[in-house]
Amino acid sequence: AQSVTQLGSHVSVSEGALVLLRCNYSSSVPPYLFWYVQYPNQGLQLLLKYTSAATLVKGINGFEAEFKKSETSFHLTKPSAHMSDAAEYFCAVSYISGGYNKLIFGAGTRLAVHP
Amino acid sequence: EADIYQTPRYLVIGTGKKITLECSQTMGHDKMYWYQQDPGMELHLIHYSYGVNSTEKGDLSSESTVSRIRTEHFPLTLESARPSHTSQYLCASSGGHMTQETQYFGPGTRLLVL
Repeated sequence: AQSVTQLGSHVSVSEGALVLLRCNYSSSVPPYLFWYVQYPNQGLQLLLKYTSAATLVKGINGFEAEFKKSETSFHLTKPSAHMSDAAEYFCAVSYISGGYNKLIFGAGTRLAVHP
Repeated sequence: EADIYQTPRYLVIGTGKKITLECSQTMGHDKMYWYQQDPGMELHLIHYSYGVNSTEKGDLSSESTVSRIRTEHFPLTLESARPSHTSQYLCASSGGHMTQETQYFGPGTRLLVL
């Protein structure tokens, strides 16, 4: 069965510091993995996705994530945090069930950026 | 511009009322989804549709119902709202190859049932 675990429901960093948001997955088949960002009172916006083409995936707003099969991880990073990065971040894994494509989401990590 | 729309954005309603949450997309996608999200929690799939006249229940049991009469429209209805229905409801759509396709989300509807 597929599942996603995001370590740390809240992460706080200083502006300009490294952002690291952790995501571990469980999947019985090669996974397709996604990171979404949710700003207050908005829907989810795709940051990046892994589809097995390359283990290091670059996304929007300077974010990137590295797929590590041996560690079953897909951590999200950004070298230098900006105040505008404050939001909720969700990791998700895509899978097929009953012939239908579905997404399973982690519980989310709220990122706070302070001056 | 291709987008996905949800109305209303916020809704406060009394117990027992019938409500319909609207979702429309101009993405040209065949697949649409409804998720329920409680504060600080993950999203749970409650309904999905792979095309006109096709609807399925998701992983989380819900008393709501959906319909898909037009490709671009996927409304969600609660016949009799209860406080336990208070939550945020997110609509999404996708198109393309199965497991690689990206789901695009609307802005959500925050529902408060008194």
